[in-house]
Amino acid sequence: EADIYQTPRYLVIGTGKKITLECSQTMGHDKMYWYQQDPGMELHLIHYSYGVNSTEKGDLSSESTVSRIRTEHFPLTLESARPSHTSQYLCASSDTGTTTGELFFGEGSRLTVL
Amino acid sequence: SQELEQSPQSLIVQEGKNLTINCTSSKTLYGLYWYKQKYGEGLIFLMMLQKGGEEKSHEKITAKLDEKKQQSSLHITASQPSHAGIYLCGADGGETSGSRLTFGEGTQLTVNP
Repeated sequence: EADIYQTPRYLVIGTGKKITLECSQTMGHDKMYWYQQDPGMELHLIHYSYGVNSTEKGDLSSESTVSRIRTEHFPLTLESARPSHTSQYLCASSDTGTTTGELFFGEGSRLTVL
Repeated sequence: SQELEQSPQSLIVQEGKNLTINCTSSKTLYGLYWYKQKYGEGLIFLMMLQKGGEEKSHEKITAKLDEKKQQSSLHITASQPSHAGIYLCGADGGETSGSRLTFGEGTQLTVNP
């Protein structure tokens, strides 16, 4: 069973607010990812990290930022939220040494910006 | 960049019926992953295929990767309401297995009792 947790699960905030979505995993995985999922189901990679102090932008441009100060923690921050940021954000992790290439996903954070 | 196209986009079947979901890639697949997602939740890993012609099964779900490694199918036998959800295929872009997956748009499956 995967041990990756996201908080908050649901967040409704006003435009211009700063928000941080938390993601933590207890599996010791070195790779972590943030995906953004639109209502139409398609997932897009927005950030990834291959280890501590390593972060890269994904395939979809995003105004959010991430940090990786600790292996188990990969928070995503929006400095000034806008309605266009309304979406579901999914965090995932994987182990470099895995042979199956499996990604473990959190349950997601659904963000609504009014 | 690699693009994945899934078909059908949505599927409604009667309980007990068989069904197939397809995933076609614009490029050769180094690794093809099938995930299932229930609405509003995270993704659950189902299977991973790497070799052309490979076929894997788990309970009533079978996934195949064609010889040319550009298309995969997911087949569910004798569907049950518990199979309902969104099925997504993901492709490995050729880097270390499991990293930076690109996903298809998903297939919404409804199973009516």
